[in-house]
Amino acid sequence: GIQVEQSPPDLILQEGANSTLRCNFSDSVNNLQWFHQNPWGQLINLFYIPSGTKQNGRLSATTVATERYSLLYISSSQTTDSGVYFCAVVGGGGSNYKLTFGKGTLLTVNP
Amino acid sequence: ETGVTQTPRHLVMGMTNKKSLKCEQHLGHNAMYWYKQSAKKPLELMFVYSLEERVENNSVPSRFSPECPNSSHLFLHLHTLQPEDSALYLCASSLTSGSLFFGPGTRLTVL
Repeated sequence: GIQVEQSPPDLILQEGANSTLRCNFSDSVNNLQWFHQNPWGQLINLFYIPSGTKQNGRLSATTVATERYSLLYISSSQTTDSGVYFCAVVGGGGSNYKLTFGKGTLLTVNP
Repeated sequence: ETGVTQTPRHLVMGMTNKKSLKCEQHLGHNAMYWYKQSAKKPLELMFVYSLEERVENNSVPSRFSPECPNSSHLFLHLHTLQPEDSALYLCASSLTSGSLFFGPGTRLTVL
């Protein structure tokens, strides 16, 4: 099946800093989503972005499908951005409902 | 109530017990999912129910049994579980294979 690699595995920032999280995948995709899991376990959908660029406030994401990667940008980070960020994809040819998750990036934003 | 709700939020059970997890979505979606999140492992898709198909992860033991009576409700019936089944069980929903929306999860402990 499709492989999803996220980097870095851990990231520590001071409040106000910017960061870039990366997601590499091993095959063509027709569905790619980014999620944030807060320290209480709730998963929030950030972006549905199989290709192109989207922005939502301080967050933006870019997927370059031909080169098999996606980037999540966090600007002016806040302590509430702490948590785990997951990338998930559906590989071409499989069920459209079978999202494969990466292991995540654990982000800690210190005040 | 809006979004995706799950009950109970916490569950402790013995290996001989039978229990059920319940999920309800109020988003008008037509696909519902069960995911398992264990420590140090990526989120694992267990089951999907949609208008088009039912997807099962073949590695899920038969002691987990899903039930989807309609597009708004999803159950996961548990029986004779093992301690290694202790995990966070997450329900999610989507409109066809679009953005996934998660519930808060049920933290399950098997003694």
